[in-house]
Amino acid sequence: NAGVTQTPKFQVLKTGQSMTLQCAQDMNHEYMSWYRQDPGMGLRLIHYSVGAGITDQGEVPNGYNVSRSTTEDFPLRLLSAAPSQTSVYFCASSYSIASGGQETQYFGPGTRLLVL
Amino acid sequence: AQSVTQPDIHITVSEGASLELRCNYSYGATPYLFWYVQSPGQGLQLLLKYFSGDTLVQGIKGFEAEFKRSQSSFNLRKPSVHWSDAAEYFCAVGPWYALNFGKGTSLLVTP
Repeated sequence: NAGVTQTPKFQVLKTGQSMTLQCAQDMNHEYMSWYRQDPGMGLRLIHYSVGAGITDQGEVPNGYNVSRSTTEDFPLRLLSAAPSQTSVYFCASSYSIASGGQETQYFGPGTRLLVL
Repeated sequence: AQSVTQPDIHITVSEGASLELRCNYSYGATPYLFWYVQSPGQGLQLLLKYFSGDTLVQGIKGFEAEFKRSQSSFNLRKPSVHWSDAAEYFCAVGPWYALNFGKGTSLLVTP
C-alpha cells in the first residue's frame, strides 16, 4: 500500500493562477479531508468528504473547491490563487465506523504551496 | 462550536525530565480527542486517542494522556523526555475525519 499520496510536493503559483492539488489513497477509505497548516495556526480543515459524491465545508473553505468522484481521489482546486493561500496542504483519509475500521486519520506527506 | 486551546506555545525541558503539555477543549458532545506530533519538515504522527472508557490513555513512544471531563482537558504526559521528542505537538478534537486542531506546542529538549 502506498497509503495517502499527494502531488505535487512543492508548487509556486502567481496570483490569479489556478491549480489542482492531487490526493489519492489506496486503502479503500470512505472519508477524506483537506487541511492547511500555517505557522502558529496549527492545522485547519478546508473540506472533507464522507464518501464518493459527498463533500462538506470545514473551517476555512473560501477559495477552494473539491469534488469526490471516486473513493480513491479527492482533489483540491484553487480557482484563483491568492498570496493568503500560501501554506502547506495536508490530505488525510480514514475509515468509517460502519466499515469496521479504526477511527484514525492517515495523513499524506503534504504539498507546499507558494503564491506570489 | 468545537475548539481546542493549547495554552503553551513553547515549552523547554531538560532531557530526562518529565513533560506535561496542556490541552483544553470545547465540544458539544462526547469528544473524540487526539494528540499528534510533527517533527520539523515532516508529516503528522498519531500519538494517542480517546473516545470512551478508561480516562488514562497510553500511546506510542511512552506518552500518555488523561481525559478530565470536569476540566475539559486532555493533557499529554511523558515521565522522561528524550532529545528525539523535540517536535511540535498538536491536540485535536472532533470526529476523526474532520478534526479541529489546536495551534500547537513546540517542545525544545535541552541536554
